[in-house]
Amino acid sequence: LAKTTQPISMDSYEGQEVNITCSHNNIATNDYITWYQQFPSQGPRFIIQGYKTKVTNEVASLFIPADRKSSTLSLPRVSLSDTAVYYCLVGDVFKRGGGADGLTFGKGTHLIIQP
Amino acid sequence: NAGVTQTPKFRVLKTGQSMTLLCAQDMNHEYMYWYRQDPGMGLRLIHYSVGEGTTAKGEVPDGYNVSRLKKQNFLLGLESAAPSQTSVYFCASSLRRDQPQHFGDGTRLSIL
Repeated sequence: LAKTTQPISMDSYEGQEVNITCSHNNIATNDYITWYQQFPSQGPRFIIQGYKTKVTNEVASLFIPADRKSSTLSLPRVSLSDTAVYYCLVGDVFKRGGGADGLTFGKGTHLIIQP
Repeated sequence: NAGVTQTPKFRVLKTGQSMTLLCAQDMNHEYMYWYRQDPGMGLRLIHYSVGEGTTAKGEVPDGYNVSRLKKQNFLLGLESAAPSQTSVYFCASSLRRDQPQHFGDGTRLSIL
């Protein structure tokens, strides 16, 4: 079971770059790393997914070191609207023998952006 | 494109009553999921489906049943509601096993 560990909360200011790190020491060879964002009273929204090295899209970057035991979500130039809970998920949905342990969201990281 | 739609958005039940939550997706996704989220907690998987006519248990399946008679719909049933099932329920779908999930806006369920 690829359990993840994230900081419970983080604070930053508008215009800053924010990096949220997720530890996943037991990541398996076939596991992907996926990050979601959740605003109050809404369902989670997909941000970015990666397997190794670096992935970048229009909203974030995902850095994955060679050993893949951690990953860092990078949000460039945050604004007040980036205040949300961020979840790191690691795993494949379906393992041999059953189970869906790739769908463990954990408590996430509550990011608070201040003016 | 509506994405994932959950019905109803809010509901109050009495202990022992039954109800069904409906999830509908219009993206032709194979995989569908039901989660519950309690205050201060992350999402916990209740049941999931890998295709029409299939269902499987997740992390917290007790007290719930599901059905996937049509590819676009995934129903979550509570046969005899209990106060411990007071929660926000989210439905999600994904095209394939390694693809990101798309979530609905949730159903807020209170059981008195």
